[in-house]
Amino acid sequence: DVKVTQSSRYLVKRTGEKVFLECVQDMDHENMFWYRQDPGLGLRLIYFSYDVKMKEKGDIPEGYSVSREKKERFSLILESASTNQTSMYLCASSRLAGGPNTGELFFGEGSRLTVL
Amino acid sequence: KNQVEQSPQSLIILEGKNCTLQCNYTVSPFSNLRWYKQDTGRGPVSLTIMTFSENTKSNGRYTATLDADTKQSSLHITASQLSDSASYICVVRARYGGATNKLIFGTGTLLAVQP
Repeated sequence: DVKVTQSSRYLVKRTGEKVFLECVQDMDHENMFWYRQDPGLGLRLIYFSYDVKMKEKGDIPEGYSVSREKKERFSLILESASTNQTSMYLCASSRLAGGPNTGELFFGEGSRLTVL
Repeated sequence: KNQVEQSPQSLIILEGKNCTLQCNYTVSPFSNLRWYKQDTGRGPVSLTIMTFSENTKSNGRYTATLDADTKQSSLHITASQLSDSASYICVVRARYGGATNKLIFGTGTLLAVQP
């Protein structure tokens, strides 16, 4: 069974703390993504990566950074957490574009982050 | 501007009834459209994919339609079950090519099925 695993389901951090969210996929997918999901706003892309050590900014990269040292692992880093980063964070992976199922995203269970 | 709008925002139906969720988009150039189901506290899971040439596709009790001319899609749920209670998200892919095709997400329809 294909799987995307996020390291933490629930986190509570204080303003200014550094936060690491980790994501691992076992499908040998090239693409990996980090989204945040807020009520009424839907999913918004923070960063994505289409290869090891490659990263691209999404729509809302400010205040975030990412790391992809291995193909299966994609980490999201909040250098100095702020209260407006309280959200649900979803990691996803997909195959490289091309083929009949181009673009299906496989999501993790999500990490709910609260910044106090 | 590429946009995906879903209606209604929320819906309550009785178990066993049918319902239809709507998705209108202004994405161009269009590649495909997916419907995802997101259970509370879980990540979204793909239900169906619709490409430009497809009008209807079924997945069990879920039937998706696509009218590429009017840029509208619908998701019809037949004989609803309590387990259908979830958020349903419409996602349209814009065809820019390569690995970085743009995905535009709707904000979802929250469906509650009551006994």
